[in-house]
Amino acid sequence: KQEVTQIPAALSVPEGENLVLNCSFTDSAIYNLQWFRQDPGKGLTSLLLIQSSQREQTSGRLNASLDKSSGRSTLYIAASQPGDSATYLCAAPGGGADGLTFGKGTHLIIQP
Amino acid sequence: NAGVTQTPKFRILKIGQSMTLQCTQDMNHNYMYWYRQDPGMGLKLIYYSVGAGITDKGEVPNGYNVSRSTTEDFPLRLELAAPSQTSVYFCASSSSSGRFYNEQFFGPGTRLTVL
Repeated sequence: KQEVTQIPAALSVPEGENLVLNCSFTDSAIYNLQWFRQDPGKGLTSLLLIQSSQREQTSGRLNASLDKSSGRSTLYIAASQPGDSATYLCAAPGGGADGLTFGKGTHLIIQP
Repeated sequence: NAGVTQTPKFRILKIGQSMTLQCTQDMNHNYMYWYRQDPGMGLKLIYYSVGAGITDKGEVPNGYNVSRSTTEDFPLRLELAAPSQTSVYFCASSSSSGRFYNEQFFGPGTRLTVL
C-alpha cells in the first residue's frame, strides 16, 4: 500500500526566502507524482506533475524534483511571497486502487 | 471549459438523512474519482470509475454509493448520513489512471456537516 509523508507539517518563513518542501513515498514503482496547492476552504489547484523520466519540472518560481530510488520528491519555492501562503499537498499513484494517495500536507505561511 | 463542477457547495444533514453529491466534468475524461478530506488530513479515495458503467471501491467506501451512467457525471450517494461523514468531498477526473496516470483535475469541493 502506498504511503505518502510530508515534512515539515508546518513552516513559517519571512518573505523572500527560498524554501524546500519534502515528500516521501513508500512504493517507488511510480512513473509520476503530482503537487497541489490548497487555499483555506478551497479546492485543490494542480501545481506540477513530474514524471520520473523528467527528474525535474519547473513552473515559474516552483521547481519539483523526483527521485524514485530514494522514494522522495521535493518542491522548491524561490523568492517566497505572502501570496504563496497555503497548504501544499503531494500525491502519488498506487495503493491497490486507481487514484492518488495524498500526504497530509505542509501548511506554509510567508510573513510579509 | 468549466472543468470539474460540484454541487452543492455546502450542506447540513441530520443523522439518517440521505443526499446525493453531484459531479460533472466537461473534459471527456474516462476516469473520475471521489475523495474526502478530514481536517488536518490528506485526501482519501472513496470510489472511482474508469468509464461509464464501471465503478470500484477505494480506501474508504463504507456508507457511500456511486453510479456512472455517462462519461460526464459521477454522483456520490450517502444513504444514511452519520456524523463520521462530516467532511469535505472532492470530485476529480483524469484522462488516464493507475501508475501511468495523467494530471488529475479537481472540483471546488462540497462541505458536508452531519448533525
